[in-house]
This record gives sequence, C-alpha cells and structure tokens, in this order.
Amino acid sequence: GAVVSQHPSWVICKSGTSVKIECRSLDFQATTMFWYRQFPKQSLMLMATSNEGSKATYEQGVEKDKFLINHASLTLSTLTVTSAHPEDSSFYICSAQNRLAGLTEQYFGPGTRLTVT
Amino acid sequence: AQSVTQLDSHVSVSEGTPVLLRCNYSSSYSPSLFWYVQHPNKGLQLLLKYTSAATLVKGINGFEAEFKKSETSFHLTKPSAHMSDAAEYFCVVSDTGGNMLTFGGGTRLMVKP
Repeated sequence: GAVVSQHPSWVICKSGTSVKIECRSLDFQATTMFWYRQFPKQSLMLMATSNEGSKATYEQGVEKDKFLINHASLTLSTLTVTSAHPEDSSFYICSAQNRLAGLTEQYFGPGTRLTVT
Repeated sequence: AQSVTQLDSHVSVSEGTPVLLRCNYSSSYSPSLFWYVQHPNKGLQLLLKYTSAATLVKGINGFEAEFKKSETSFHLTKPSAHMSDAAEYFCVVSDTGGNMLTFGGGTRLMVKP
C-alpha cells in the first residue's frame, strides 16, 4: 500500500517550453502533496505544499508563477514548469500524505528527471 | 526550527563489514526521525522511522538506528554490508504533524567487494 507514481520518469524539453509532471497516489487519498527538487549530488529541497482543492504554499525563493502546482483531486497533483530554462534541469520528487486518516508519513514518488536543452 | 547534519558525505566499507552512517539533529520539540535510501535516479525508500516509541528502531534490509536524545543523534547501522546497499542515504527530521521534513545533506555509501 501507499504507492505514489510520477509521470513521466524523465523528460527532455527545449528552453522556453513548458512541461507538466504528474504525481499520483495509487491506493490512498492524498489530502496533501509535496513537491521537492534535488540537484545533482545534493539533498532534497521542499518547493511547495499543496492541499487538495486549495492553492499551493510555496517555500521562500520558489517562483509560484514559474512552478505551477495544481492539486485538483485526492489522487493527483501536477507541477508545471513554465518557460523552462537550463537551470531548471533537476530531479523533481513528489510525496503524498493522507491527513484525513490521521497519518503523518509522507510517501515518495520515484522522481522525474527534467533536462532543459 | 529543526535541522539535520549528516556528519559524513561519503562512507566506504568492504562487503561484509559493519556500516555506520552518522546523523545529528536539532529540534525544538519531540521530533520524528527517518532514514531514507535513494538508489541512482530513483525515488526515496523509507528504511526506518522513530516516532517516540522504542529508541532502537529496526528497519528493512537489516538496518537499524538508535535514537539518543542526550546526544541528539540518530545513527544508522547495519552489521554486514551488501553490495546492494551502495546508495545515497538521507536522515530526515519531521515536525509532529509530518508536514515539514528537513533533509540532511546525504551520505553516499560505497561498498567494495
């Protein structure tokens, strides 16, 4: 149980284009989803927290107009990187949490590697 | 505020020898602590977690960690390393709601044959 998937697992896009990454909780309802970014050989940094049906809360320094997060259902959150640039190339990882069930643990997806050329 | 320090960025052991990955934390409340493993280009897999129950926590794949409040440590150990243990390991501290995870910098474990 508690499986989280991400799609795509990797994507290459050209500079200036937008790319959407999906995060799905496959066997539980994710009231809250988190998006992290990981640069090569570095740790994970929280980008934003989204609650189903609400606007995402972004961490300091993360551009909300560049990283659009939608959490329209209890099983799906999307991260759209708009007008991508090479510096946006990174490994993006989502996690999901079911607060309705009183569970605090975050379950992580397998990650999406974004390369912007 | 909370923080996590993984004392070694790289650890190299020989197959069959013990593993010790060190982690110190700071937190202004009773924390929850986790160890995650990440294989190359993969997501995070939970090894074990401490949530104020037994101070010695046993996880998957033979790993265990001991919560020592007096030392603010949560070191990860394994009696005998396998080649498959080679990966990046993250020590993580969480607030009581599990909403704010703070990651350590990671420790890359290398296992020599």
